[in-house]
Amino acid sequence: EAGVVQSPRYKIIEKKQPVAFWCNPISGHNTLYWYLQNLGQGPELLIRYENEEAVDDSQLPKDRFSAERLKGVDSTLKIQPAELGDSAVYLCASSLNSQETQYFGPGTRLLVL
Amino acid sequence: GNSVTQMEGPVTLSEEAFLTINCTYTATGYPSLFWYVQYPGEGLQLLLKATKADDKGSNKGFEATYRKETTSFHLEKGSVQVSDSAVYFCALRGSGNTGKLIFGQGTTLQVKP
Repeated sequence: EAGVVQSPRYKIIEKKQPVAFWCNPISGHNTLYWYLQNLGQGPELLIRYENEEAVDDSQLPKDRFSAERLKGVDSTLKIQPAELGDSAVYLCASSLNSQETQYFGPGTRLLVL
Repeated sequence: GNSVTQMEGPVTLSEEAFLTINCTYTATGYPSLFWYVQYPGEGLQLLLKATKADDKGSNKGFEATYRKETTSFHLEKGSVQVSDSAVYFCALRGSGNTGKLIFGQGTTLQVKP
């Protein structure tokens, strides 16, 4: 069974540019999460989807970050415009539902110059 | 609010040494507790979990016991191998139906031959 797929794996952009990350969860998983992992720290939840509905986006900086999960499968996370402080690893995870084990993708490592 | 505190790393051990990584938590109600491992260049993988007090999670020779009286979930392994070198994250999921994982800052383990 394929795991959570993320792309790109690495991205280098200049500040003020837009950037987007893509996530394909494990087939059949209704719940999808985006986490932010700063260097030397544990991941922090940005947003959680139940199917196509964002049910917890309280930690998402909505002035520059946006996310969508059309059709309740793949998801994209966008930053516009990017700032130097956005340099981090962006992790996607999925689970059958919110009470089941979360499986993580390899992450997208973003460097903003 | 809920939080997780891990012992700071890095932890450096010789092969076959005994490992303990301390983890304590603060939470209301009855959280579920997890240990995730992140090998170099890979995503987070669930190592073990425990969902109620006194439960012991185990996998690949690693163990952790959910101690409600001391609010702890320490990770142990009797004999580490070089291949265990990785970053270990303790995490909790609150007793509400949010699915949100709260992670500690991670502990780097380096095992030398």
